[in-house]
Amino acid sequence: AQSVAQPEDQVNVAEGNPLTVKCTYSVSGNPYLFWYVQYPNRGLQFLLKYITGDNLVKGSYGFEAEFNKSQTSFHLKKPSALVSDSALYFCAVRDNAGNMLTFGGGTRLMVKP
Amino acid sequence: DTGVSQDPRHKITKRGQNVTFRCDPISEHNRLYWYRQTLGQGPEFLTYFQNEAQLEKSRLLSDRFSAERPKGSFSTLEIQRTEQGDSAMYLCASQKVQGTIHEQYFGPGTRLTVT
Repeated sequence: AQSVAQPEDQVNVAEGNPLTVKCTYSVSGNPYLFWYVQYPNRGLQFLLKYITGDNLVKGSYGFEAEFNKSQTSFHLKKPSALVSDSALYFCAVRDNAGNMLTFGGGTRLMVKP
Repeated sequence: DTGVSQDPRHKITKRGQNVTFRCDPISEHNRLYWYRQTLGQGPEFLTYFQNEAQLEKSRLLSDRFSAERPKGSFSTLEIQRTEQGDSAMYLCASQKVQGTIHEQYFGPGTRLTVT
């Protein structure tokens, strides 16, 4: 069975500072990895994905993520945080044979001015 | 570009009543998924359709739940004899299965409250 762990319930960062939201996964075979963001009372918005290729993937709104196969991690990063980045972030995985996404429990990002 | 839409956005019902939710996917997306999200948790997979065929169902989908996608376009999710434990956000997502496109696009969700 596949699983995702987001070890931090909340991450606090000052505006302008770099941010990292952590994600580790467990899956059979090659992983397909995704990050989504959720604003209050709204659905999930797709940020970025890793399927194959370069370990550093770039996505929407200046976010990027680094795939590390040996550490089974896919941490979300941004060089300079904005107050408007404050939201709930979800990491998700699926294996290359499956179709459903398995999500982590989410990490609340709080960016303070 | 029209995204995934869901109706209603909010539903309050009494225990024991039946409810039905509707999802309209992005045009030409052949796959449609239903997820459930409870407060403080990530979404959990319920079921998915490839065109009109329901191909996989989670063990979370008890026999009180039924989903349809009759013409391969919109989908409905019905919950019969609702229980308080059914209170959650029900999310629909669609996906175009083509090449390297693997991401699912989510609707705004239907928040169900069972009193």
